[in-house]
Amino acid sequence: AQKITQTQPGMFVQEKEAVTLDCTYDTSDPSYGLFWYKQPSSGEMIFLIYQGSYDQQNATEGRYSLNFQKARKSANLVISASQLGDSAMYFCAMREGEGNTGFQKLVFGTGTRLLVSP
Amino acid sequence: EAGVAQSPRYKIIEKRQSVAFWCNPISGHATLYWYQQILGQGPKLLIQFQNNGVVDDSQLPKDRFSAERLKGVDSTLKIQPAKLEDSAVYLCASSPRGGPNTEAFFGQGTRLTVV
Repeated sequence: AQKITQTQPGMFVQEKEAVTLDCTYDTSDPSYGLFWYKQPSSGEMIFLIYQGSYDQQNATEGRYSLNFQKARKSANLVISASQLGDSAMYFCAMREGEGNTGFQKLVFGTGTRLLVSP
Repeated sequence: EAGVAQSPRYKIIEKRQSVAFWCNPISGHATLYWYQQILGQGPKLLIQFQNNGVVDDSQLPKDRFSAERLKGVDSTLKIQPAKLEDSAVYLCASSPRGGPNTEAFFGQGTRLTVV
């Protein structure tokens, strides 16, 4: 069963506008973490933001915020005031299991390609 | 601090040849991952080490892929013999032990082309 689903293969947004990238997940584990990574054309994976399953508030990091809806099992990434440099692939990922063991797998979705136009 | 180091950056081999990739994780990181990323797809976990022990290799094609992490530090991933469908970027990542909010730090990857 697919653990992480990203249904948008590509998204377009104009510079300075906000954009939402969708991510839904599937787990029966009560303890999990959700991550978003950015992968520019150069290939490196850049960590953007994290949301824990027990966190009461939605995570924010600068222009990035995570719209976490636990009952719907969704963790959408919101990028405000898009910039040309935001054009890249964006991956949602999930870590399952108790963090103290260090044995959690980190699984990724198929990604969304974001193109920011001037 | 230094990031995750991988080498080589690029490799082109013929099918049925063998190839090896090297990864040096961030100092002190107990967990090391190897991912395969085929063009247009998300990274797929091949193997996960905790120190020098394997904790998950369920998606590693063991008839041709092998990996080791001697002394719990750097790691090598080998393919022998390579097939055309092994063409991909191989990403190494590491994370510190413990804590559900520990993100993985990635190297720049090795782009393998099998011809």
